[in-house]
Amino acid sequence: AQRVTQPEKLLSVFKGAPVELKCNYSYSGSPELFWYVQYSRQRLQLLLRHISRESIKGFTADLNKGETSFHLKKPFAQEEDSAMYYCALIYNTDKLIFGTGTRLQVFP
Amino acid sequence: EAGVVQSPRYKIIEKKQPVAFWCNPISGHNTLYWYLQNLGQGPELLIRYENEEAVDDSQLPKDRFSAERLKGVDSTLKIQPAELGDSAVYLCASSLGNYNEQFFGPGTRLTVL
Repeated sequence: AQRVTQPEKLLSVFKGAPVELKCNYSYSGSPELFWYVQYSRQRLQLLLRHISRESIKGFTADLNKGETSFHLKKPFAQEEDSAMYYCALIYNTDKLIFGTGTRLQVFP
Repeated sequence: EAGVVQSPRYKIIEKKQPVAFWCNPISGHNTLYWYLQNLGQGPELLIRYENEEAVDDSQLPKDRFSAERLKGVDSTLKIQPAELGDSAVYLCASSLGNYNEQFFGPGTRLTVL
């Protein structure tokens, strides 16, 4: 069965520190993965998708099929990065499965 | 552009009462989704519409939940009767379909007492 696992509920770092939010998936087909973000009092929004291979707000994520992972990384965290981050997998053309989310807290 | 619009934003009801949520998707988006988000969890798909057709309702508890999307634009999700365990955030999203980005509404927070 398809599954997305985010092992950390909370990740706390200081401003300027590197950040890595972990995401592992289970899917027998060719995966397409996303990171969604929800800032305080804002709606859930797409941060990046692996197929785009782009960096958004300094974040990158590389799909590792061998390790079935899609970890989100940023070399230097900013206070405005504090938010809830959800990893998601799409299958059957348009069915999106979310992980349980990781809350990132960046302290000044 | 207002994005996906949902109402109400908050709803408090007593158990066994009916409740309805409304969603207006982004103009031109033929695909509409309803998600359920429990506290501490990610969103879970309840139903997906392609225009006015429900193409995936496998996760919708049909004994008490129903949804409609008349004319392929606005959609309504109903619960009748509500149970304590239905307390959650109900999210609506829309997209152009087929791997395109899903745009989410602000959600309706339901509390069942």
